[in-house]
Amino acid sequence: AQTVTQSQPEMSVQEAETVTLSCTYDTSESDYYLFWYKQPPSRQMILVIRQEAYKQQNATENRFSVNFQKAAKSFSLKISDSQLGDAAMYFCAYRTGKSTFGDGTTLTVKP
Amino acid sequence: KAGVTQTPRYLIKTRGQQVTLSCSPISGHRSVSWYQQTPGQGLQFLFEYFSETQRNKGNFPGRFSGRQFSNSRSEMNVSTLELGDSALYLCASSRREDGTDTQYFGPGTRLTVL
Repeated sequence: AQTVTQSQPEMSVQEAETVTLSCTYDTSESDYYLFWYKQPPSRQMILVIRQEAYKQQNATENRFSVNFQKAAKSFSLKISDSQLGDAAMYFCAYRTGKSTFGDGTTLTVKP
Repeated sequence: KAGVTQTPRYLIKTRGQQVTLSCSPISGHRSVSWYQQTPGQGLQFLFEYFSETQRNKGNFPGRFSGRQFSNSRSEMNVSTLELGDSALYLCASSRREDGTDTQYFGPGTRLTVL
């Protein structure tokens, strides 16, 4: 069974600085998709970024980028120029059919 | 384009009752998945429907069931409610059944069992 591990239950970053959230996963599949979702206090799950496993190029979306290391089964999220609105719980997810989620990382942004 | 909608947003039930939650996917999306989110267990997959057929099922007891209608709207039902069923129930929709596209989530239904 696939598992997703987020080893940092909580992270903190100063406004305008950069923070990296870690995610590792375990799978025997070669084709799959990885996602980062953000869940603010409203509880709405919002897509942050998506990475196809067959693509070597790391995905970027404005201030959000990933470091995808397929051999190491690692998928970290980098948030640059952190803003107060980035404060939320961040979930890493692996998908082939159903999605498997990590336990989440709570990100605090300090003004 | 309207997002995924879920009704009701909040529910309070007592043990032994049953409950039905509803999810309307994004227009054009035919796959609907349900997840249970609790502080202790995190996000857990319940089931997935595509074209009115259940495609995948998570490790939940038979008290949890679902269905999908021809317009892709989905309902999930929980019978004989237990205190441990208190959770946020999230619905997600996507276009395809093969798991190659992005799932978009609704705002969730917060179920409290007393």
